[in-house]
Amino acid sequence: DGGITQSPKYLFRKEGQNVTLSCEQNLNHDAMYWYRQDPGQGLRLIYYSQIVNDFQKGDIAEGYSVSREKKESFPLTVTSAQKNPTAFYLCASSIDNGQGRNQPQHFGDGTRLSIL
Amino acid sequence: QKEVEQNSGPLSVPEGAIASLNCTYSDRGSQSFFWYRQYSGKSPELIMSIYSNGDKEDGRFTAQLNKASQYVSLLIRDSQPSDSATYLCAVNPSSASKIIFGSGTRLSIRP
Repeated sequence: DGGITQSPKYLFRKEGQNVTLSCEQNLNHDAMYWYRQDPGQGLRLIYYSQIVNDFQKGDIAEGYSVSREKKESFPLTVTSAQKNPTAFYLCASSIDNGQGRNQPQHFGDGTRLSIL
Repeated sequence: QKEVEQNSGPLSVPEGAIASLNCTYSDRGSQSFFWYRQYSGKSPELIMSIYSNGDKEDGRFTAQLNKASQYVSLLIRDSQPSDSATYLCAVNPSSASKIIFGSGTRLSIRP
């Protein structure tokens, strides 16, 4: 089945530790996105990528890093510089038809990150 | 002013009634509009996309777009308890290749 797979479902981070969240899609989508959601809040964009080997900062990129070496994969690293990482992290992807009309984004099941 | 605004709710609607969810946006040149449903603890799932002024119907759901008033709404007919969720409005501004999400409206369908 086509879809977006995020792993792990739950992740715990120790102080001073970097952790990496995985996001893989087999939808052949060009664009991929990472969002953070805090309890009772909306989605905030961390990073996005429209093409392999290129990505852009979103609204809250500080303390996070990404890579896009393959079309199917867009891992997110939460670094020790991110002082309040506890949140629900959502990866999404979409077709990017480059014609000024965005196609909808489709989401993975998310990863819950907590501090130990 | 927020780019995409929604009333946070909760909006309480009796079972079988019509639920009306509203969203306003600030960028007049926005072209693409989406409604997502998010159950507690789950990821958002797409319900509707709408690109042109007017109504678009899909089953019990109707999206309404009025670009002149910068307003998009979602109507849910014959509301069911399973419709209880947070509904996110999302808009693609004219100058961006990303989608801006509203903070969501929490809908509760009471039996």
